[in-house]
Amino acid sequence: ILNVEQSPQSLHVQEGDSTNFTCSFPSSNFYALHWYRWETAKSPEALFVMTLNGDEKKKGRISATLNTKEGYSYLYIKGSQPEDSATYLCAPSGNTGKLIFGQGTTLQVKP
Amino acid sequence: NAGVTQTPKFRILKIGQSMTLQCTQDMNHNYMYWYRQDPGMGLKLIYYSVGAGITDKGEVPNGYNVSRSTTEDFPLRLELAAPSQTSVYFCASRLSASGELFFGEGSRLTVL
Repeated sequence: ILNVEQSPQSLHVQEGDSTNFTCSFPSSNFYALHWYRWETAKSPEALFVMTLNGDEKKKGRISATLNTKEGYSYLYIKGSQPEDSATYLCAPSGNTGKLIFGQGTTLQVKP
Repeated sequence: NAGVTQTPKFRILKIGQSMTLQCTQDMNHNYMYWYRQDPGMGLKLIYYSVGAGITDKGEVPNGYNVSRSTTEDFPLRLELAAPSQTSVYFCASRLSASGELFFGEGSRLTVL
């Protein structure tokens, strides 16, 4: 699956603000949608892997939704904290094993 | 468990030299991947493998080669290093086509 688009490219928010990002992808040949969190000078770490239309997953203050029919996923962060500052990557995949990432949304949370 | 191990962590190469980045995983994962980190562009897929003996090209395969003779190992070879290959390289693996990726710590390569 190519043509993965993430928006916005970067985001600056104040501590305590809630925020959300978008991942858009072609809805054909969809198999799974991945979200990863990537802190500077570290390796990416998985947040969620979602497969079903309407799926909603949550980990602490971070949650994600998936719409496979229209080809998008939202990532929400409630009450952003400085430690949430990172680049958030999404990657939709087909069932061939190929996994291509979007360019990411870089979040900066100011104390 | 060691997870995904990459070596070396840092390397400086001269233009035209060749080298191999090693990647090994101890989780019995079928799928393995090599990505490079391009500034402002996130992660670009170089090559991937869905099992021993099977490899396939990603988005940016030119200038690289891979092999997958065992489940554990997925080395990435640069034959004629070029300055454009200066990057941080990440190896990753996962158990299945819907599984999450586990990343190595990255290998920083500079070509001068």
